[in-house]
Amino acid sequence: GQNIDQPTEMTATEGAIVQINCTYQTSGFNGLFWYQQHAGEAPTFLSYNVLDGLEEKGRFSSFLSRSKGYSYLLLKELQMKDSASYLCAVMDSNYQLIWGAGTKLIIKP
Amino acid sequence: ETGVTQTPRHLVMGMTNKKSLKCEQHLGHNAMYWYKQSAKKPLELMFVYSLEERVENNSVPSRFSPECPNSSHLFLHLHTLQPEDSALYLCASSPGLDRTYEQYFGPGTRLTVT
Repeated sequence: GQNIDQPTEMTATEGAIVQINCTYQTSGFNGLFWYQQHAGEAPTFLSYNVLDGLEEKGRFSSFLSRSKGYSYLLLKELQMKDSASYLCAVMDSNYQLIWGAGTKLIIKP
Repeated sequence: ETGVTQTPRHLVMGMTNKKSLKCEQHLGHNAMYWYKQSAKKPLELMFVYSLEERVENNSVPSRFSPECPNSSHLFLHLHTLQPEDSALYLCASSPGLDRTYEQYFGPGTRLTVT
């Protein structure tokens, strides 16, 4: 079956760095997405990786290793507004998104 | 209005009621989706439409009935729901289905079935 695993919850301190991991097993691979979802709001697109390596976008970076079925989202210089759930999703060979359950990130002052 | 909008934002209904959720996208996209989001569970894809044709129905109970009258509008008709159907229902759109596109989400309808 198809499966996406990510931690349920993480806590970090304002100004620090946090890494949210995602491992996947899917039928084919057409890229991996990270979305951010604040409580009561729509998920919003953060990043897309289809090739191995690190993609940097401001304070956020996303890494992919296709051979290991592994990705992480790295958040630097954490701000209180980064408190949200972070959803990992993989697009399979049928261009269907397979979603993880999300990681709730709590930022403490 | 821009992006993807959904109405109502909150809905409380009894198990014998009939109600409808509405989604509208202002992005010129060809594909639209309904998802169910329950606490601590992955997003569950319910229905997918491409150019107003339903292309996906993931074994969703018949008490949920989708309708796509045109490429900008998507409805989810609800009747005789169960308490376990209480969840956040998200609508999304994307440019198409045949390539890797990001999906754009609406804010969701928080549904409570009493």
